[in-house]
Amino acid sequence: AQSVTQPDIHITVSEGASLELRCNYSYGATPYLFWYVQSPGQGLQLLLKYFSGDTLVQGIKGFEAEFKRSQSSFNLRKPSVHWSDAAEYFCAVGGMDSSYKLIFGSGTRLLVRP
Amino acid sequence: DAGITQSPRYKITETGRQVTLMCHQTWSHSYMFWYRQDLGHGLRLIYYSAAADITDKGEVSDGYVVSRSKTENFPLTLESATRSQTSVYFCASSEIRVNEQFFGPGTRLTVL
Repeated sequence: AQSVTQPDIHITVSEGASLELRCNYSYGATPYLFWYVQSPGQGLQLLLKYFSGDTLVQGIKGFEAEFKRSQSSFNLRKPSVHWSDAAEYFCAVGGMDSSYKLIFGSGTRLLVRP
Repeated sequence: DAGITQSPRYKITETGRQVTLMCHQTWSHSYMFWYRQDLGHGLRLIYYSAAADITDKGEVSDGYVVSRSKTENFPLTLESATRSQTSVYFCASSEIRVNEQFFGPGTRLTVL
C-alpha cells in the first residue's frame, strides 16, 4: 500500500540550530516526492520536490532534502533554523502509480525556541 | 486576483443540512483536488478532477459530491452534513500531472 510516515509529531529546536525532519514512504513505482509547509491558518506552500536526477534537492527558504531510495526516505534539512520557520511540515508522495494523486504524511509541527 | 480562492472561509452549519464549499482558480489548471485536514491524519483526498466533467473519488469520498462544469470551478457539496465532517477543507490545483499542487487558504467547517 502507498503511504507516507512522518515519525515525529512535534520537534523543538533552538533558533540557529540545525534541523532534520524525517519522512519515509512506501510506494510501488518511481516516487515523486514533495515537502510542503503550512503556517497557522494558511494553506500549504511547496518547499521542494524531487522527480528524478540529483538526489539532493534545494528548495525555498534555505531548505534541502535528500532522496535515499535504499532507505525509502526523503528527509528535510536546514542548517540554521529561524524563528519564522515555526510551522507544520508535510511530506507527500505521488506518481504514475497513484494516478498522480498525492499521499500526505500526518505532518510534523516545528517549534523554535528563542 | 490571480490564484486559487475558497469560499466561505468559515462556515457553521447543523447536522443534516446541505453545504457547498466553493473553489475557484484563475490559472486554467487541468487538475483540481479537494482535501480535508484533521488532527493526526494530515491531508486526505476527498475528490479530484482531471478536467471539466471528469471527476473521481479519493480515499474519503463518502458523504461528499463534486461537480466540474467549468475548468476554473470545483465546488464540493456535503449532501447531509454530519459532525464527523467538521474539518478544514483545502482545494488545490495542478497544471500537469504530479507537478506542484497549489493550495487555497482553506475553509473551516463546523457541523453542530
